[in-house]
Amino acid sequence: AQSVTQLGSHVSVSEGALVLLRCNYSSSVPPYLFWYVQYPNQGLQLLLKYTTGATLVKGINGFEAEFKKSETSFHLTKPSAHMSDAAEYFCAVSDRENTGNQFYFGTGTSLTVIP
Amino acid sequence: GAGVSQSPSNKVTEKGKDVELRCDPISGHTALYWYRQSLGQGLEFLIYFQGNSAPDKSGLPSDRFSAERTGGSVSTLTIQRTQQEDSAVYLCASTLAGGVAGELFFGEGSRLTVL
Repeated sequence: AQSVTQLGSHVSVSEGALVLLRCNYSSSVPPYLFWYVQYPNQGLQLLLKYTTGATLVKGINGFEAEFKKSETSFHLTKPSAHMSDAAEYFCAVSDRENTGNQFYFGTGTSLTVIP
Repeated sequence: GAGVSQSPSNKVTEKGKDVELRCDPISGHTALYWYRQSLGQGLEFLIYFQGNSAPDKSGLPSDRFSAERTGGSVSTLTIQRTQQEDSAVYLCASTLAGGVAGELFFGEGSRLTVL
């Protein structure tokens, strides 16, 4: 089974600073990769995903992530944090080999933006 | 409806009582997932339905938990003889047919509190 590791359960950045949320996965075969965001008292919504093609993926709200096969990573970045970015962020993978389309989630990173 | 609908949004129950949580997925989505999100934890996979195939129940934590999906649409998650450790937010998600890593669409969750 896949596993997803998100380093740092809590990340704080100043407004306007770079956001970097880390995600590593365990798989010999590159999976499909996702970042989801969860605002307070809401469900998760997709920020971006990587399935194939260009390894730098752009998502909503100015976020982007880069798939690095050699590092088995899919870190999420945003050049300039905004107060509205404060939320819980989840990295997820889906196994290409598994036609059951199972999704595996990391434990999440809570992002705080300091004014 | 346009999105995944879950009910109730909040449920408070006494230890030992049974509860039912309902999920109405997006119309046409054949795959449906239940996850559990406990405070400070990631998303714990519970069960997965795909079309008419036998569900993947590998994530159900005990035999007190069960789920069904009627007519390939609405799903009900049942927890019997609830315990305090069952307190969590139960999230439902749906997606189009498996095999291709489509986006998971989440409901807003059902928050269960067991006193």
